[in-house]
Amino acid sequence: DVKVTQSSRYLVKRTGEKVFLECVQDMDHENMFWYRQDPGLGLRLIYFSYDVKMKEKGDIPEGYSVSREKKERFSLILESASTNQTSMYLCASSLRDLITNTEAFFGQGTRLTVV
Amino acid sequence: DAKTTQPPSMDCAEGRAANLPCNHSTISGNEYVYWYRQIHSQGPQYIIHGLKNNETNEMASLIITEDRKSSTLILPHATLRDTAVYYCISGGYQKVTFGTGTKLQVIP
Repeated sequence: DVKVTQSSRYLVKRTGEKVFLECVQDMDHENMFWYRQDPGLGLRLIYFSYDVKMKEKGDIPEGYSVSREKKERFSLILESASTNQTSMYLCASSLRDLITNTEAFFGQGTRLTVV
Repeated sequence: DAKTTQPPSMDCAEGRAANLPCNHSTISGNEYVYWYRQIHSQGPQYIIHGLKNNETNEMASLIITEDRKSSTLILPHATLRDTAVYYCISGGYQKVTFGTGTKLQVIP
């Protein structure tokens, strides 16, 4: 089974702290994604990466950065956490198949609270 | 990327077919239609996807209209475990964008 593992299930951080959310996948997938999920807004794409050291902005990249130094690991960084970044963060990965396309596999999510 | 619209909520009697509609009128020719569901407190789970032909797997069937502007996810015999938020999404092979989904409540 594909496994996408997020380092923490729950996290509480203070305003202004630098926060790292880690995601690891074990299926050699090229694509990795970070979403945030908020009530009434659904899942919104923050960043995605289609290869090591490659990244693309999603729909709401402001206040976030990402790092992909190794294929299996995709990190989301909040440079200076703010209360409006309190949310559920979901990581996903998928195989890069240009012909038939494939599904994305999600982690269990990290519920981040910024106080 | 195409945007999708779905009804915010639906009810379905247990054992009946659940038909979940989705509009994706701005979808482009190479964008797939995907369906995922999210059970409370879990990450989304893939259900099915298609380009222009109807698709069926062990979980569901996907009916895509000929003009590709809408689709329907069919759960043939809904169970209480199918209560979840269902997302219809579209995108190219790299970027997959979600909307707010349909909350399906299966009623005993």
